[in-house]
Amino acid sequence: DTEVTQTPKHLVMGMTNKKSLKCEQHMGHRAMYWYKQKAKKPPELMFVYSYEKLSINESVPSRFSPECPNSSLLNLHLHALQPEDSALYLCASSQDLPNPNHEQFFGPGTRLTVL
Amino acid sequence: GDSVTQMEGPVTLSEEAFLTINCTYTATGYPSLFWYVQYPGEGLQLLLKATKADDKGSNKGFEATYRKETTSFHLEKGSVQVSDSAVYFCALTSNTNAGKSTFGDGTTLTVKP
Repeated sequence: DTEVTQTPKHLVMGMTNKKSLKCEQHMGHRAMYWYKQKAKKPPELMFVYSYEKLSINESVPSRFSPECPNSSLLNLHLHALQPEDSALYLCASSQDLPNPNHEQFFGPGTRLTVL
Repeated sequence: GDSVTQMEGPVTLSEEAFLTINCTYTATGYPSLFWYVQYPGEGLQLLLKATKADDKGSNKGFEATYRKETTSFHLEKGSVQVSDSAVYFCALTSNTNAGKSTFGDGTTLTVKP
């Protein structure tokens, strides 16, 4: 199984809502990532987990809260988002860190719209 | 810091034309180089990679050679198909910055029948 799955596929939320994005992989990868991608732009790194511990936070606002409950799952909790947070949120995984040779496997993304 | 520069798009080609998408990089250490492709409405997927100088990555008719002397990793395909229409991202991961991949801005390719 070389697939990264993400749910939901689409999400529309108000600025006062609380929602969560979920990501799952069963490749035994020990590094997992959250990216934000705006239209016609490259992915922007948000968070990296290595062996279930947060290893990189790219100065992301606290209204985004990541969680890694186990080695297969990655969540992104959303609260009090702004309309400019509307984007495609991509989850990815790789075998481990810090080996730079390992490619990342991306999920299909969650299309988030904040009203 | 690390950076990746891709040729600006969009690129429009006729079916069976030759494709080149230029990619140059600056990096500390010894980077690994990647090409990812993103089809409409999907996430990124690895197209090919090269982990050391003079390595050639290849997949689905696409090729790219890791050129350390010119700090380049140009993507080529001899005969494109309509199904190759997508956004192509060049990326690097450096051994001094592991965990962070640096992406180019992406090049949108449209292939017309």
